[in-house]
Formats: sequence, structure tokens, C-alpha cells
Amino acid sequence: DVKVTQSSRYLVKRTGEKVFLECVQDMDHENMFWYRQDPGLGLRLIYFSYDVKMKEKGDIPEGYSVSREKKERFSLILESASTNQTSMYLCASSSRTSGGTHTDTQYFGPGTRLTVL
Amino acid sequence: AQSVTQLDSQVPVFEEAPVELRCNYSSSVSVYLFWYVQYPNQGLQLLLKYLSGSTLVKGINGFEAEFNKSQTSFHLRKPSVHISDTAEYFCAVRPSGGYQKVTFGTGTKLQVIP
Repeated sequence: DVKVTQSSRYLVKRTGEKVFLECVQDMDHENMFWYRQDPGLGLRLIYFSYDVKMKEKGDIPEGYSVSREKKERFSLILESASTNQTSMYLCASSSRTSGGTHTDTQYFGPGTRLTVL
Repeated sequence: AQSVTQLDSQVPVFEEAPVELRCNYSSSVSVYLFWYVQYPNQGLQLLLKYLSGSTLVKGINGFEAEFNKSQTSFHLRKPSVHISDTAEYFCAVRPSGGYQKVTFGTGTKLQVIP
């Protein structure tokens, strides 16, 4: 089974702190994603990566950055946390088919509930 | 760009009754469509997906969905729900060509009443 793990289930930080959220997948997937989930807003894509050292902005990248130095690991960084970044953060991964068509099924981690005070 | 609309934020239904969760999408190109489920305190997992072929798609746990291109809909159905189906359900869409990001709907909370 595909396994996507996230470094913390719950995290409490103070305004202005630098925050690192780590995501690791064990299925050699090329694609990795970071979403935030807020009540009534569903999932919104922050950043995604389709290869090592590659990254693309999603719908709401402001205030976030990402790092992908190894294929299995995708990190989300809040350079200076703010209260409006209090949210549930979900990481996901997916594979690319051999024909080069990016695949369809995303596998999600359990989420990190971040509270910024 | 594409968008997804889930009109119902919450759907209460009695156990063993049928249920339909509605999903409409908008896109200028052909699409792939998905339904994901999120159980309490867990991440999302795929229920079913439509890529091509038969418009009636069967998924896990007895769920099915029908792709209707003319009505741009992909409604999720189950003929008889169980308490364990209580969860939040997300419809999602992405363009079928090349690499494009997936757009999720705002979710529908299904509450199964004993």
C-alpha cells in the first residue's frame, strides 16, 4: 500500500516563527502536492512538484515556499507564520504513467493541524 | 481553468436509505473526474474516478457515479447507506490532457442517522 506520512499531526506555533511541514512518501511517486483544508472552502492547492527540485505554484502560494531535494520528501515552509495560516495541511503524492500522462489518483497523508497563535 | 460545484454542504440521511451527492463541473476541455472520501481525523482516499469509457463508474464501499457530459455532472450515489459512510465527500476534476492540477470542490458532509 502507498504510504504518505506527515511529520506532525498537531503543531502549535507563534506568529512570526518559521515553520517546516515535512511529507514523505514511500512509493517512488514523481508528483507531490501540498494543500490546505479550511471549513467551507474544501482543499486549495498551495504548491506542487512533478520532479525533484521542480516546483509549481498552486492557487494560494503567498506566504509559503517548498523544497524538494529528494524524490520521496516534499517540505512546506512558512517563512513567518501568521494567524491566517492556521489550518489543516494535507500532503499528497501520485505517480506518472509510463506514457508520460500524469496520473489520476492522489494518495493523501493524515494531515497536520497547524495553529498559529 | 476548471471549477467544481458541490451544492450541498451537508446531507443527512437515514441508515439503509439511498443517497445522492451532487457534483457539477465547468471546463473548456475534456476532463477526468474523481470522488474522494475523508473519514474523521483522516486524510482523503479515492472512492472512484472517471477517465474514459463507460459513463457509469463503480467504486469502493458500494458507491457509484455517472458522468453526464451534457449536464456537466458527476453525481455520487449509493442505494443503501450505513453508519460507517458518515464522512465528508469531495468531488474533483482535472483536464485530461498533459499535466494539470486537480481542482477540488468544497465538500459535502454525509451524516447517516441510525
